[in-house]
Amino acid sequence: DVKVTQSSRYLVKRTGEKVFLECVQDMDHENMFWYRQDPGLGLRLIYFSYDVKMKEKGDIPEGYSVSREKKERFSLILESASTNQTSMYLCASQEGAGGYTSTDTQYFGPGTRLTVL
Amino acid sequence: QKEVEQDPGPLSVPEGAIVSLNCTYSNSAFQYFMWYRQYSRKGPELLMYTYSSGNKEDGRFTAQVDKSSKYISLFIRDSQPSDSATYLCAVSTSGTYKYIFGTGTRLKVLA
Repeated sequence: DVKVTQSSRYLVKRTGEKVFLECVQDMDHENMFWYRQDPGLGLRLIYFSYDVKMKEKGDIPEGYSVSREKKERFSLILESASTNQTSMYLCASQEGAGGYTSTDTQYFGPGTRLTVL
Repeated sequence: QKEVEQDPGPLSVPEGAIVSLNCTYSNSAFQYFMWYRQYSRKGPELLMYTYSSGNKEDGRFTAQVDKSSKYISLFIRDSQPSDSATYLCAVSTSGTYKYIFGTGTRLKVLA
């Protein structure tokens, strides 16, 4: 079974803090994703990575950055947390075919519920 | 218009009922169709994954795709209280990583 783990289930931070969310997958997948999930808005893609050190902006990248130094680990960084970044953050992993093409499904981690005060 | 529309519910049914969950989409280029189940405060888990039109069955779950109507459905037979969750549909075009998710339908199965 694919396993995607996220470093924290719940996190509380203060406005202006730098926040790191970590995600690790154990299936040697090329593709990894960060989403946020908000009521009524569904899942929205923040960033996508298709290889080590490679990244692409998703639909809502503003206020976020990412890092992928190793294939199994994908980090989401909030440079200066704001209250409108309070949300559920979901990491996903997917077997890729050397880039954008993939017919495999995305497997999700358990999520990190971030509250910014 | 959103690319994928899904009724948010909640949908409440008695135990043992047949449940029908639906999504509509706008882009005929979508060829991959997924259903995820998400329990409260957990990440989504994949239930069904289908390509193109037709039906796919897995135990009590059946996924149905009607590309002519741009309509996808998930049927749950003999529903159980443990099926109470939010169900998300997702669509994707061929050869792309990008999924478009519905907002989810919250289902409650009453014992």
